[in-house]
Amino acid sequence: GENVEQHPSTLSVQEGDSAVIKCTYSDSASNYFPWYKQELGKRPQLIIDIRSNVGEKKDQRIAVTLNKTAKHFSLHITETQPEDSAVYFCAAKGGSNYKLTFGKGTLLTVNP
Amino acid sequence: DAGVIQSPRHEVTEMGQEVTLRCKPISGHDYLFWYRQTMMRGLELLIYFNNNVPIDDSGMPEDRFSAKMPNASFSTLKIQPSEPRDSAVYFCASRGLAGLGFGEQFFGPGTRLTVL
Repeated sequence: GENVEQHPSTLSVQEGDSAVIKCTYSDSASNYFPWYKQELGKRPQLIIDIRSNVGEKKDQRIAVTLNKTAKHFSLHITETQPEDSAVYFCAAKGGSNYKLTFGKGTLLTVNP
Repeated sequence: DAGVIQSPRHEVTEMGQEVTLRCKPISGHDYLFWYRQTMMRGLELLIYFNNNVPIDDSGMPEDRFSAKMPNASFSTLKIQPSEPRDSAVYFCASRGLAGLGFGEQFFGPGTRLTVL
């Protein structure tokens, strides 16, 4: 089955700096890669996603890049703000089903 | 729309007791997923349904766990008998076809289960 590795497990940055979280996946047939943000005690919520036919996608301060050859994708957050502090999860969807396999998460702390 | 609804939000029970978690997906969504989240294992898919039919239950940890979806608006996850290692947050999520067909999964608020 699919295996998703996520790094780093914790990340601390100063407000205004950029943050990058990286994930690798094992199944070359995977074709959809969402990123979820989970605040403490809350549910995971989708913040951005990318499909396998696209190399990069941006939405204001967040962007995701995908390298299908290397089987890795990354989340980039620019001009970080304290409200960006949360756990971020990457996930990959298999090519022939609707299962999402999640990474173990990255705890991002943005220090004022 | 109220989003995905789960009940109860918190459950504390003693080892050996039966636990039933409930989920109401977003109206019109045809996929329903049950996840378990722990610090050690992260977010794990337990089972998912399409049009009320279980499609993949390979994530169900053992026979003590069972899930049903008797109709499009209701699903249950049952643990019998419960054990302390079942303590976790259980999320239900639903998905409908959208855009190019991949569709975002919308999570419910979760049920925090503690088995003493």
